[in-house]
Amino acid sequence: DAGVTQSPTHLIKTRGQHVTLRCSPISGHKSVSWYQQVLGQGPQFIFQYYEKEERGRGNFPDRFSARQFPNYSSELNVNALLLGDSALYLCASSPAGSYNEQFFGPGTRLTVL
Amino acid sequence: GNSVTQMEGPVTLSEEAFLTINCTYTATGYPSLFWYVQYPGEGLQLLLKATKADDKGSNKGFEATYRKETTSFHLEKGSVQVSDSAVYFCALARGGAQKLVFGQGTRLTINP
Repeated sequence: DAGVTQSPTHLIKTRGQHVTLRCSPISGHKSVSWYQQVLGQGPQFIFQYYEKEERGRGNFPDRFSARQFPNYSSELNVNALLLGDSALYLCASSPAGSYNEQFFGPGTRLTVL
Repeated sequence: GNSVTQMEGPVTLSEEAFLTINCTYTATGYPSLFWYVQYPGEGLQLLLKATKADDKGSNKGFEATYRKETTSFHLEKGSVQVSDSAVYFCALARGGAQKLVFGQGTRLTINP
C-alpha cells in the first residue's frame, strides 16, 4: 500500500508570494495533520482535519490555512510568505478511531528567498 | 503547557555500543508518549509508543518505558548499528488529541 504522499518535493518562492502544498493520506485514513519543521528543530503542529472539518490549530498566523477534500486529501496554503516560513512541511494521516497513530509523509521542503 | 525536552545532541557512538537518549516531558493528565525516527531525506517514522504509565514500547531492538514518577521516556538500545544513524524525536499527545508535541530532536551517528 502507498504511504502518505506529498507534493511538490521541493519548492522555492520569494517573499510575499503564496504557496499551496498537497497531501494524499494513506488509503482509508480520514484524518490529516500538518506540521512545520524548521531546520534543526522538532516539528510544530499547524492543523488537523478530520472528515473535512478543522479539529485543531496550532499557534500559527492567519496566513496559514488548510482544507480537506471529500477524498480526504488536503492542501496547506501559506500567504504573504516570509523568510521564516522556510521549513520542511510534513503531512501525517491517521486511521479513524486510532488516536495518535500518525503516519508521516516525506515532506515538502519550502525555501523562501 | 505541554512540552518535551530531549538530551542535547549530537551523539556519536561506535557500532555495538549501548545507547540512551534521555527524554522528559511536562503535561497535564496522562499523555501518550512516542519516539519517532527521521532518516536523512525522509519523513518521520514511528519507532515505538507507550500509552500509559509503566508501559514499555519496543521495536527493532529499541525500548522505552513510560515513567510517570519521573515524567520520563528514555530511549535505549543494547547494541547500535551504523544503520541506526538518524535523528530521533521524543513526542507526546494528550488523550485523543491528534496534536503531537515534539522535542527538539537528537542526532545520532554510529561509526563502524
